[in-house]
Amino acid sequence: DVKVTQSSRYLVKRTGEKVFLECVQDMDHENMFWYRQDPGLGLRLIYFSYDVKMKEKGDIPEGYSVSREKKERFSLILESASTNQTSMYLCASSQGGGLVAKNIQYFGAGTRLSVL
Amino acid sequence: GNSVTQMEGPVTLSEEAFLTINCTYTATGYPSLFWYVQYPGEGLQLLLKATKADDKGSNKGFEATYRKETTSFHLEKGSVQVSDSAVYFCALSDSTSGTYKYIFGTGTRLKVLA
Repeated sequence: DVKVTQSSRYLVKRTGEKVFLECVQDMDHENMFWYRQDPGLGLRLIYFSYDVKMKEKGDIPEGYSVSREKKERFSLILESASTNQTSMYLCASSQGGGLVAKNIQYFGAGTRLSVL
Repeated sequence: GNSVTQMEGPVTLSEEAFLTINCTYTATGYPSLFWYVQYPGEGLQLLLKATKADDKGSNKGFEATYRKETTSFHLEKGSVQVSDSAVYFCALSDSTSGTYKYIFGTGTRLKVLA
């Protein structure tokens, strides 16, 4: 089974702090994604990566950056946390390639971040 | 652009009732369609998928048919159980960028009462 592990289930940070959310997948997947989940808004894509050191902005990249130095690890960085970044953050990965079956996304359990 | 619209929740049903959660989409090209489920305290997991028009996805008693003429992918189950209580997300896969990004609906919370 594919396993996507997010390092923390719950985080509490203060406004202005630099925050790192870590995600690791164990299936040698090419693609990795970061979403935020908010009530009434569903999942919104922040950033994604289709290869090591490659990244692309999603729909709401402002206030976030990412890092992918190794294939299995994709980090989301909040450069200066703000209260409006309080949310559930979900990481996902997919194998990649030209077939739909290879692009099914597998999700981690999520990190609930509170910024005070 | 592409989008997914699903019915607002919460949906509250008694055990063994029939379930329908509506999902419609707007897309250019020929997207693939998915239903994901999120149980309390967990991440999303794939429930079923359909890759072309008239395909029916099914899993764990849930079904959904890809209807191109009505741009819909409604989720159905004949007899729900308390254990089906969760949030259900409809999604489409946008392959135009080559990376198969997903676009999700807002989610529908289902609560099944014993």
